[in-house]
Amino acid sequence: GENVEQHPSTLSVQEGDSAVIKCTYSDSASNYFPWYKQELGKRPQLIIDIRSNVGEKKDQRIAVTLNKTAKHFSLHITETQPEDSAVYFCAASHISGNTGKLIFGQGTTLQVKP
Amino acid sequence: DVKVTQSSRYLVKRTGEKVFLECVQDMDHENMFWYRQDPGLGLRLIYFSYDVKMKEKGDIPEGYSVSREKKERFSLILESASTNQTSMYLCASSPLIGEAFFGQGTRLTVV
Repeated sequence: GENVEQHPSTLSVQEGDSAVIKCTYSDSASNYFPWYKQELGKRPQLIIDIRSNVGEKKDQRIAVTLNKTAKHFSLHITETQPEDSAVYFCAASHISGNTGKLIFGQGTTLQVKP
Repeated sequence: DVKVTQSSRYLVKRTGEKVFLECVQDMDHENMFWYRQDPGLGLRLIYFSYDVKMKEKGDIPEGYSVSREKKERFSLILESASTNQTSMYLCASSPLIGEAFFGQGTRLTVV
């Protein structure tokens, strides 16, 4: 079945540095790739997403890149701030007809040290 | 504002009990999901529904069943709760293509 692998499981950076989280997926028919941020005690919330017809998308300090040939996608956070500390999840969805199953990676705990 | 509401925030049940977790969304979304969240294992898909009465197994369906009789409601059923089902359960809904919105989660403890 579909599988999404996410690395690293934990990441610690100094405030102002960049952070990169990488994911690989197994289903070559996957065509939608969202990223979620989950703060402690809260529900996951979408921060950025990308579709398979796009190679890169940027929103202020956050960017996502997609390499369909290699079946991997990455989240880049620049100029990290303490409020970026959270668990980040990547996901992949194969949207076909009227179904869109969303499979998540294992999560990355990001700590931004002031 | 999209709302996905789970019926309980915390539940404590005994081994062998039948447990119902309810989830309701108010955005007319086609897709609804049940995930289980455990430390280090991420969000694992239990079941997924893409329409009323339509369902698909996720990665860990054993010991669980689901019901979707109405578009806005998706129920997760533990037929006979066991201690290894102690976990955080998250419901989500989404349109066919687009953002998934999560409920606040139900922390289930089986004793």
